[in-house]
Amino acid sequence: DSGVTQTPKHLITATGQRVTLRCSPRSGDLSVYWYQQSLDQGLQFLIQYYNGEERAKGNILERFSAQQFPDLHSELNLSSLELGDSALYFCASSVVSGFTEAFFGQGTRLTVV
Amino acid sequence: AQTVTQSQPEMSVQEAETVTLSCTYDTSESDYYLFWYKQPPSRQMILVIRQEAYKQQNATENRFSVNFQKAAKSFSLKISDSQLGDAAMYFCAYRELQGGSEKLVFGKGTKLTVNP
Repeated sequence: DSGVTQTPKHLITATGQRVTLRCSPRSGDLSVYWYQQSLDQGLQFLIQYYNGEERAKGNILERFSAQQFPDLHSELNLSSLELGDSALYFCASSVVSGFTEAFFGQGTRLTVV
Repeated sequence: AQTVTQSQPEMSVQEAETVTLSCTYDTSESDYYLFWYKQPPSRQMILVIRQEAYKQQNATENRFSVNFQKAAKSFSLKISDSQLGDAAMYFCAYRELQGGSEKLVFGKGTKLTVNP
């Protein structure tokens, strides 16, 4: 158990809908990262939050947004969903700068039909 | 941006034998971290081994070791005495520092099959 909790584990939804994925980081970790893993793209970095503030952005679509709350949990919001958004979404957490390991949750499998 | 390349989409090994997974990366930094993560069918991302670039000695964790060639920007993973439980996707990753933030950049992975 990595200590990072993601909910839900599985999500099936229709095109055009909106979903919210939730992540609770490891106790004491201030940084949260979101990654998308699809079959043909490997693990793509989406966005990082550090102590409530956005720190870095990767290949995140405008239809996607995220936030980190005062209790440090994070949510990834995906809207106007398309078939191509079907993927495994990972959350990871780490301590502040200079981390030697990022701890990953078990992922949320999103299927858009 | 840094890139990480894993040139072997799939590899197979006989149980109890040794296999090496390849990884190359591109960076202009002199100090950085490299990682190998394992993703079994359970989907969990598990850290296998890490290497700090300033350390010349190759990292070792039980049956797992790396061959770190800094000048060649190569970071291969050797699995000795392969076990059925080693079957998984293996991802090479680089810790990128950019604009005050840090994140992991991953290769596309190598699927390892262990044959009994």
